[in-house]
Amino acid sequence: DSGVTQTPKHLITATGQRVTLRCSPRSGDLSVYWYQQSLDQGLQFLIQYYNGEERAKGNILERFSAQQFPDLHSELNLSSLELGDSALYFCASRNSGTDTQYFGPGTRLTVL
Amino acid sequence: AQKVTQAQTEISVVEKEDVTLDCVYETRDTTYYLFWYKQPPSGELVFLIRRNSFDEQNEISGRYSWNFQKSTSSFNFTITASQVVDSAVYFCALSEKVETSGSRLTFGEGTQLTVNP
Repeated sequence: DSGVTQTPKHLITATGQRVTLRCSPRSGDLSVYWYQQSLDQGLQFLIQYYNGEERAKGNILERFSAQQFPDLHSELNLSSLELGDSALYFCASRNSGTDTQYFGPGTRLTVL
Repeated sequence: AQKVTQAQTEISVVEKEDVTLDCVYETRDTTYYLFWYKQPPSGELVFLIRRNSFDEQNEISGRYSWNFQKSTSSFNFTITASQVVDSAVYFCALSEKVETSGSRLTFGEGTQLTVNP
């Protein structure tokens, strides 16, 4: 158990819909990262937050947005969903002392 | 941009064989971290090891060992006496500084290891 929690574990929805994925980092970690894992793109970095502030952006679509709240949990919002958005979405939190990212169990999103 | 290459897409071995997973990386950073993660069939990503670019000592942890060679930009992972439970996808990753104060991991494409009984 990495200490990072993600909900829900599975999500099935239809094209055009909007969903929210939730992540709680490990106790003491201020940084949260979001990654997308798909068969054709592999593991891709989406976005990083540190103590509520956006710190880095990767290959995140404009239809996607994220935020980190004062209690440090983070949400990834995906809107106008397309079939190609079906993927495993991981959240990770980083231990500042060791620079190691620990990953949550992931949310498997299926868009039908 | 940084890059991580895992040339072996799939490896299949018989239990008790030793197996080495290759990882080659490219970076312009002088200080960086390298990682290995394991993704078993259940899907989670499990941290295995972190290596600082300044520390070229090889490391052994039980049946696992890692060989970091800065001169060849390689960070290879060996499993000794493989077991069926080692079957998983293994990812090599490189930390990268992004923008002014951000960071991210760049992952290789992964190596699917299958250990047959």
